[in-house]
Amino acid sequence: DTAVSQTPKYLVTQMGNDKSIKCEQNLGHDTMYWYKQDSKKFLKIMFSYNNKELIINETVPNRFSPKSPDKAHLNLHINSLELGDSAVYFCASSPTGSNYGYTFGSGTRLTVV
Amino acid sequence: SQQGEEDPQALSIQEGENATMNCSYKTSINNLQWYRQNSGRGLVHLILIRSNEREKHSGRLRVTLDTSKKSSSLLITASRAADTASYFCATANTNAGKSTFGDGTTLTVKP
Repeated sequence: DTAVSQTPKYLVTQMGNDKSIKCEQNLGHDTMYWYKQDSKKFLKIMFSYNNKELIINETVPNRFSPKSPDKAHLNLHINSLELGDSAVYFCASSPTGSNYGYTFGSGTRLTVV
Repeated sequence: SQQGEEDPQALSIQEGENATMNCSYKTSINNLQWYRQNSGRGLVHLILIRSNEREKHSGRLRVTLDTSKKSSSLLITASRAADTASYFCATANTNAGKSTFGDGTTLTVKP
């Protein structure tokens, strides 16, 4: 069983389009995250949700809108895609509290052309 | 800027040798974590060391933490070709509610 699953794995789309990435975890964790990894492998947090509530929004453009219908799911919708949005997007989850590592999904490679 | 900075950026060794990677950070932390990322894959959590711990072991991995120097090291002993990957440190602070990742070290183990 995959602990944190993301779909799709690859996404190629044109500038200006709107797209969504889905994430689901079956670990019973309360907290979920979206991270963006650029071409130099820098990982930067975008959003964090705890039990469906937004905890962290790291000055991400409002073209990015996360949605958490329940604590097992955290989806990411991106409007008006730009070339600079090309990156690998990782979903992760963890139990609540700071002394736990994260479980990551396998990533969604987004390419905007 | 990233909370953690790792060195070296890249490390190439022969199978059987030990590999040491270092991580420095800037602010106080609750814990520090190490992750491995194989090419084209997600990050895998390796080990977490709390701020009141100085050393931790897991199999061939040994992590040290020096909070006075704000630094940590990851030692992989008797490396294998399968250890080839990027290794990231991440620091967690209760107030921040998130882990902040370093720049990563790319390790290549030659068979």
